[in-house]
Amino acid sequence: AQTVTQSQPEMSVQEAETVTLSCTYDTSESDYYLFWYKQPPSRQMILVIRQEAYKQQNATENRFSVNFQKAAKSFSLKISDSQLGDAAMYFCAYSLDTGTASKLTFGTGTRLQVTL
Amino acid sequence: GAVVSQHPSRVICKSGTSVKIECRSLDFQATTMFWYRQFPKQSLMLMATSNEGSKATYEQGVEKDKFLINHASLTLSTLTVTSAHPEDSSFYICSARDGGRGGPYNEQFFGPGTRLTVL
Repeated sequence: AQTVTQSQPEMSVQEAETVTLSCTYDTSESDYYLFWYKQPPSRQMILVIRQEAYKQQNATENRFSVNFQKAAKSFSLKISDSQLGDAAMYFCAYSLDTGTASKLTFGTGTRLQVTL
Repeated sequence: GAVVSQHPSRVICKSGTSVKIECRSLDFQATTMFWYRQFPKQSLMLMATSNEGSKATYEQGVEKDKFLINHASLTLSTLTVTSAHPEDSSFYICSARDGGRGGPYNEQFFGPGTRLTVL
């Protein structure tokens, strides 16, 4: 079974600084998808960024980028120029995309605090 | 686009009663919907996957007779918690997969969640 591990329960970053959230996963598959989701206090899940395993290039979305190391099964999220609105729970997630196998497996989450 | 709604957002019920939670895809057809449960300060745990017109696939450890899932149309799935007990109190989140879009991956879109409190 696939597992996703987030070893940092909480992280803190100063506004305008950069922070990196860690995620490792375990799978025997070669083609899969990795995600970072943000869950603010409203509890609404928001997709931050997605990475296809077959792509060597790391995904980037504005201030958010990932460091995808397939061999090491590592998928970290870097947030640059942190803003107060970035404060939230961040979940790393894994998925295949074959019918019902497209279900998401989530990590335990990292709570990010952004300070002034 | 790609909006998923849930109703109700909050519900309080007495122990032993049944509660129905609706999940709707408002602007797309959802061939697959997922139901998650989230305890306070914990991650999302998948309960079941439902495909339109067929029986739901439940994750190991989830009681099928207690958590009834119906996906009768391409825009609506319902989760009914039968004979609810205080331990069923939790935050329930649905997501819907857009079956109409092309590309290598059909993204899941999440509803805002339903907080269930069983007294």
